[in-house]
Amino acid sequence: DAKTTQPPSMDCAEGRAANLPCNHSTISGNEYVYWYRQIHSQGPQYIIHGLKNNETNEMASLIITEDRKSSTLILPHATLRDTAVYYCIVRVYSSASKIIFGSGTRLSIRP
Amino acid sequence: ETGVTQTPRHLVMGMTNKKSLKCEQHLGHNAMYWYKQSAKKPLELMFVYSLEERVENNSVPSRFSPECPNSSHLFLHLHTLQPEDSALYLCASSRDRAGAEAFFGQGTRLTVV
Repeated sequence: DAKTTQPPSMDCAEGRAANLPCNHSTISGNEYVYWYRQIHSQGPQYIIHGLKNNETNEMASLIITEDRKSSTLILPHATLRDTAVYYCIVRVYSSASKIIFGSGTRLSIRP
Repeated sequence: ETGVTQTPRHLVMGMTNKKSLKCEQHLGHNAMYWYKQSAKKPLELMFVYSLEERVENNSVPSRFSPECPNSSHLFLHLHTLQPEDSALYLCASSRDRAGAEAFFGQGTRLTVV
């Protein structure tokens, strides 16, 4: 599975859009981009995933560049409850592929 | 509420004790996982079960012994642990090992004294 690079920390004002970047320049054609988040001392929570098209659900939007070498998770109206560590994971949809977490981005939402 | 329940939420045990962590899911998933999260470290995948069969063991010491009696339950049996084994232990499940998304429990905070 391809490696991902994320900034270690970011902050965002409450009510504004939080844009979390992820670099996955070695991604291969059959690898999906997944996003999870982990609120302090809780288990990770799945947010969204995509292959090449932009995706949106009730939690967030995922924008994947045309060359698929990077992506951005967008929380459209950040709240204090969105303070968490956000993980970008790239993996093949395959039983041989593991769900491996890196260090993620610690997002702090300021009032 | 993710549909994955872990008990106990907190556990303190001595190095000579034997204890078990329990994980239960009623999501109809076929794959279950144990992860370990030590302080200030990324999650480490420990074990993977698919259809009640252990399919992966990531070089975990034998003092950790998993058991999957059926597709809804997963246990982690602990014995003669060390203080460095203190961590948050997380269980997860997914529809199958290919797993579009995994659902995690709240974890068991384990302290070994």
